[in-house]
Amino acid sequence: GQGVEQPAKLMSVEGTFARVNCTYSTSGFNGLSWYQQREGQAPVFLSYVVLDGLKDSGHFSTFLSRSNGYSYLLLTELQIKDSASYLCAVRDRYNQGKLIFGQGTKLSIKP
Amino acid sequence: DMKVTQMPRYLIKRMGENVLLECGQDMSHETMYWYRQDPGLGLQLIYISYDVDSNSEGDIPKGYRVSRKKREHFSLILDSAKTNQTSVYFCASSPQGNNQAPLFGEGTRLSVL
Repeated sequence: GQGVEQPAKLMSVEGTFARVNCTYSTSGFNGLSWYQQREGQAPVFLSYVVLDGLKDSGHFSTFLSRSNGYSYLLLTELQIKDSASYLCAVRDRYNQGKLIFGQGTKLSIKP
Repeated sequence: DMKVTQMPRYLIKRMGENVLLECGQDMSHETMYWYRQDPGLGLQLIYISYDVDSNSEGDIPKGYRVSRKKREHFSLILDSAKTNQTSVYFCASSPQGNNQAPLFGEGTRLSVL
């Protein structure tokens, strides 16, 4: 079947890095998006990937492996304000382009 | 200014009452969405609209209906609200094309008592 899985929680330390994992299964993969969502606010678009490999966007980088149904969002030089939930969403070309979201990973950053 | 606007932001209703959630966007996006978000479940798609009067059920359409009479406006209607429809509802919009990530509104917190 189709689904997107993420760990519910992740903790890291200010100044270091955090890797948010996402695994998915879909019949017709057509792109994966990452969103940041702060408590009580709307999801904010971060990155879109459709090809394998690492896409470096500075503070945020994203990796995709289509053969493994796997992506991660890498945050470097963490700041306290990076504490938020990170949502992974997959688009399926055979599902009328609908986005399927994972439950989100709540990232907590300690000083 | 590129924005998705939801009204109201907060709403309290009694079980059995009708509920209207409204969403507007100023970008002439063809595609609009209604999601609900519950703890531990993430964003679940209720309905998707591809343009005026071109609506399609999402993953959890039961108990909801939608209306899109103008491209910039997409409404979510709950006829006879139930307590399990207490949730945060997000509207989003995107231009046509599979690589276009939706832009989300700020959400409506609905409590059904």
